[in-house]
Amino acid sequence: AQSVTQPDIHITVSEGASLELRCNYSYGATPYLFWYVQSPGQGLQLLLKYFSGDTLVQGIKGFEAEFKRSQSSFNLRKPSVHWSDAAEYFCLLTAYTGNQFYFGTGTSLTVIP
Amino acid sequence: EAGVAQSPRYKIIEKRQSVAFWCNPISGHATLYWYQQILGQGPKLLIQFQNNGVVDDSQLPKDRFSAERLKGVDSTLKIQPAKLEDSAVYLCASSLDGGGNTGELFFGEGSRLTVL
Repeated sequence: AQSVTQPDIHITVSEGASLELRCNYSYGATPYLFWYVQSPGQGLQLLLKYFSGDTLVQGIKGFEAEFKRSQSSFNLRKPSVHWSDAAEYFCLLTAYTGNQFYFGTGTSLTVIP
Repeated sequence: EAGVAQSPRYKIIEKRQSVAFWCNPISGHATLYWYQQILGQGPKLLIQFQNNGVVDDSQLPKDRFSAERLKGVDSTLKIQPAKLEDSAVYLCASSLDGGGNTGELFFGEGSRLTVL
């Protein structure tokens, strides 16, 4: 069965520090993977997505993620965090032939000055 | 391109009352999703429409929740009667054809329900 795991419920980083949010998935074929961000009181916004090809994908707001098939991971990274990055981050998975999206439980990011 | 529109943004009701939320997806998007997001949790799929047909409503509490998507465009989610545990944000999302080959979910800003 398909599933997405985000091991870190909450992460705190200092402004300007680097960030890595973990996402592990379980799926029998090549997944389609997404990272979304949800700011307080807002809907979810797409940061980036992986369908195929280059395993390092660039997204908006300076984020990037790397698909590693051998580790079943799709970790999100940012080299220097800004205070405005404080939000909830969700990793999603879907299949090419499917129309269901599987959510991770989310990681809450706090940025301290 | 206009995004996914939802209304109302906020609603406060007492338990046992009824409430309805409206969603207008992005033009041309065949698939529409309603998610329930309880504070501190990830979104949970309530119902998924493909055009005006239901694809998945396995997690919809059908004794109190109902949803329809007339003409395959906008959709209404109703709760009657509401319970305290229905307090949540109700997110509507749409996608072009529901398949991962076309891309992502587009979310509205959500409708926040408080049941007193």
